[in-house]
Amino acid sequence: DAGVIQSPRHEVTEMGQEVTLRCKPISGHDYLFWYRQTMMRGLELLIYFNNNVPIDDSGMPEDRFSAKMPNASFSTLKIQPSEPRDSAVYFCASSPSAGELFFGEGSRLTVL
Amino acid sequence: SQQGEEDPQALSIQEGENATMNCSYKTSINNLQWYRQNSGRGLVHLILIRSNEREKHSGRLRVTLDTSKKSSSLLITASRAADTASYFCATAPQGAQKLVFGQGTRLTINP
Repeated sequence: DAGVIQSPRHEVTEMGQEVTLRCKPISGHDYLFWYRQTMMRGLELLIYFNNNVPIDDSGMPEDRFSAKMPNASFSTLKIQPSEPRDSAVYFCASSPSAGELFFGEGSRLTVL
Repeated sequence: SQQGEEDPQALSIQEGENATMNCSYKTSINNLQWYRQNSGRGLVHLILIRSNEREKHSGRLRVTLDTSKKSSSLLITASRAADTASYFCATAPQGAQKLVFGQGTRLTINP
């Protein structure tokens, strides 16, 4: 398996623009997690899914953030409108059992 | 919110020496995990220790867990330059399927 695949790896956008980050989990994994990493706040869990259903979205900062998982092989994290404080590295991770997590390489977002 | 807190925040040692990192957490857990992150990369799972286990080994890694003190330690023996990375502990709170990460320890191995 190719592992968890995230795209884009890097995104630079201007404040107010819509940003969509994409994730393809490892086939057969039932759990999918979205994390955000910054120097100030470290790794924060934004939301996680089990069998494509959102289970806990308490980490989503505000209504500008939304996440979907339309099927077992694809998830998106959308920010609309984006703000400079959203600049971070966004990680997607999947897991077969909510034990060990398998991380993607991350999407580095810069909002100017 | 951060569940785990690593100590020290940064550690620099000579190649061949042992490196010890500590993690403290706040609530009851199902398991505790350690991850490594190389600069600019995603996190990689190293080892998982369950709440009913006290010690676990994997190659040059040794993890201990003291649930009474709500703490864990990661020991890397005979360190190598390639061990230079950030190391994170992560806890799975009881009743939850998610992992909460600490702030990490930045380890530098000097050749």
